Amino acid sequence: QKEVEQDPGPLSVPEGAIVSLNCTYSNSAFQYFMWYRQYSRKGPELLMYTYSSGNKEDGRFTAQVDKSSKYISLFIRDSQPSDSATYLCAMNRDDKIIFGKGTRLHILP
Amino acid sequence: DTGVSQNPRHKITKRGQNVTFRCDPISEHNRLYWYRQTLGQGPEFLTYFQNEAQLEKSRLLSDRFSAERPKGSFSTLEIQRTEQGDSAMYLCASSKGPGTEAFFGQGTRLTVV
Repeated sequence: QKEVEQDPGPLSVPEGAIVSLNCTYSNSAFQYFMWYRQYSRKGPELLMYTYSSGNKEDGRFTAQVDKSSKYISLFIRDSQPSDSATYLCAMNRDDKIIFGKGTRLHILP
Repeated sequence: DTGVSQNPRHKITKRGQNVTFRCDPISEHNRLYWYRQTLGQGPEFLTYFQNEAQLEKSRLLSDRFSAERPKGSFSTLEIQRTEQGDSAMYLCASSKGPGTEAFFGQGTRLTVV
């Protein structure tokens, strides 16, 4: 079993819809959780960083962490065509950061 | 300082040649990471530094790969005797320390022909 599992998609949703992206993990030692957005041929851009169970909101983005279920989510409200990208979940303890494979998201105008 | 800087952005090399990539982290970031990413995959961990000390190396990092971070500032990643399988995007990230946000550069895209 991989340490971090993420459905690669692609996920296509109409503009304005709420998008839900998810990851599961197996290592209960993970303490810090991140979501990155990556456009084609670019480096990953940090969107959200959390270290506790619960929700964290930043504009149209909400990150949710459930440590008891080893499950994290990213919600995007009022999705825009510019949100079309690959979304990577990532997590770590105090050492290396482990990434999921990424979910390709397409927002349809 | 606007972020993590990586050079070159693109590198095409012939099989068997050596290549070196450079990463300049965000100022005062003590931790520096190297990752490799191939098409359709998430970044794969290669190695990381805390200041000038290399703390961990992945099994992906064969003897042909070496990374340095002299004086705890910029870092270099060298690949000797490149192979076609080394073709990938090489990403560098930096953070203030353990468990803090990590910020990536734009990557160096390597093509081995």
